Amino acid sequence: KNEVEQSPQNLTAQEGEFITINCSYSVGISALHWLQQHPGGGIVSLFMLSSGKKKHGRLIATINIQEKHSSLHITASHPRDSAVYICAVDANFGNEKLTFGTGTRLTIIP
Amino acid sequence: DAGVIQSPRHEVTEMGQEVTLRCKPISGHDYLFWYRQTMMRGLELLIYFNNNVPIDDSGMPEDRFSAKMPNASFSTLKIQPSEPRDSAVYFCASRGQETQYFGPGTRLLVL
Repeated sequence: KNEVEQSPQNLTAQEGEFITINCSYSVGISALHWLQQHPGGGIVSLFMLSSGKKKHGRLIATINIQEKHSSLHITASHPRDSAVYICAVDANFGNEKLTFGTGTRLTIIP
Repeated sequence: DAGVIQSPRHEVTEMGQEVTLRCKPISGHDYLFWYRQTMMRGLELLIYFNNNVPIDDSGMPEDRFSAKMPNASFSTLKIQPSEPRDSAVYFCASRGQETQYFGPGTRLLVL
């Protein structure tokens, strides 16, 4: 069983829809990251959070430490949001290593 | 700042050749990470440095892989000899206070 699991693996939606991507983890963590990887391959860090909620534009990330679960939401989705979204955790192993989920491939259709 | 810089962006080589990947982290960042991404295994951490010192190299697949960070502004990842199964995208990332910033990656193809 992977320490970090994401769902769904693939998601296709119409432009304008509200999108939710989920991440569950099985280890104690100090922080959770959401990354975005565009078709060209570049990786961008969207959020780092250890509690509560963060918002940046149309993106919202939440985390529930007790339930070991995080969600990434996209409001008013747009084709340019099409990318792979990766969840990664800073596990409490006393080091700086990130453990990655396998990613969610999001496709927004115009 | 120009962000994390990696070179080359693409590399095609033949099995058995030495490959050297280069990374320039963001100025002032204390941590530098080397990752490998493949379709089968996703993103994997190979090694990371703190203040130019290697901290954890447990992700380095074999002795054919080595990494150095001679100063705060430069790191190399070397594969010698290269094998077809090393074909992947190799990312370098640096981190200051919080989040990691990724370079554009080097796409390596070993024939």
